[in-house]
Amino acid sequence: SYELTQPPSVSVSPGQTARITCSGDALPKQYAYWYQQKPGQAPVLVIYKDSERPSGIPERFSGSSSGTAVTLTISGVQAEDEADYYCQSADSSGSAWVFGGGTKLTVL
Amino acid sequence: QIHLVQSGAEVKKPGASVKVSCKASGYTFTNYGITWVRQAPGQGLEWMGWITAYNGKTNYGQSVQDRVTMTTDTATTTAHMELRSLRFDDTAVYYCARGVAGKPPYMDVWGKGTAVTVSS
Repeated sequence: SYELTQPPSVSVSPGQTARITCSGDALPKQYAYWYQQKPGQAPVLVIYKDSERPSGIPERFSGSSSGTAVTLTISGVQAEDEADYYCQSADSSGSAWVFGGGTKLTVL
Repeated sequence: QIHLVQSGAEVKKPGASVKVSCKASGYTFTNYGITWVRQAPGQGLEWMGWITAYNGKTNYGQSVQDRVTMTTDTATTTAHMELRSLRFDDTAVYYCARGVAGKPPYMDVWGKGTAVTVSS
């Protein structure tokens, strides 16, 4: 079955830049999406179609794509950005959707 | 404002069935789909499936495809997810989310989740 691979954890100090990667063989053919989830809350969409930002999401959140990997970048990290982040995409046929395993972002 | 309001927590015995509902409001229900996602305690997100609201066409995830049925009621703008033959590892928070067409589709608004506990 298709898998998306994320690092389990990323740590940064406030004001620094956090980068979370997600890799998968079908990413050149399928868009990737990013969700933020804080403890006890439902996920929130922060990036769609690789690099688009929904309304209401701060400009410090951005996304990029290169080959079989996509990256979520949070510039000028704030304490409130501490959360789990999940990428989502699909296999090359588009029929099996998957989430990455999630990355816990810790703001030191 | 767009809202997805889910039904309340459930406790079920192994082998039973559970039906979770998701009432949508604030948008044209039939212009979108509904995706169901679950999250076991301390674990990541698992995609369960999608249903196109206007015609009921479904796409189920491999892990649950033999036990799940997703439906929509356009008259009441409500989606339902029924999971049968429950097992202990079905214990999770079940989320519904508005599905936006894409390649692949994605979820832009989420319900608050419904906790389902499978216990003997």
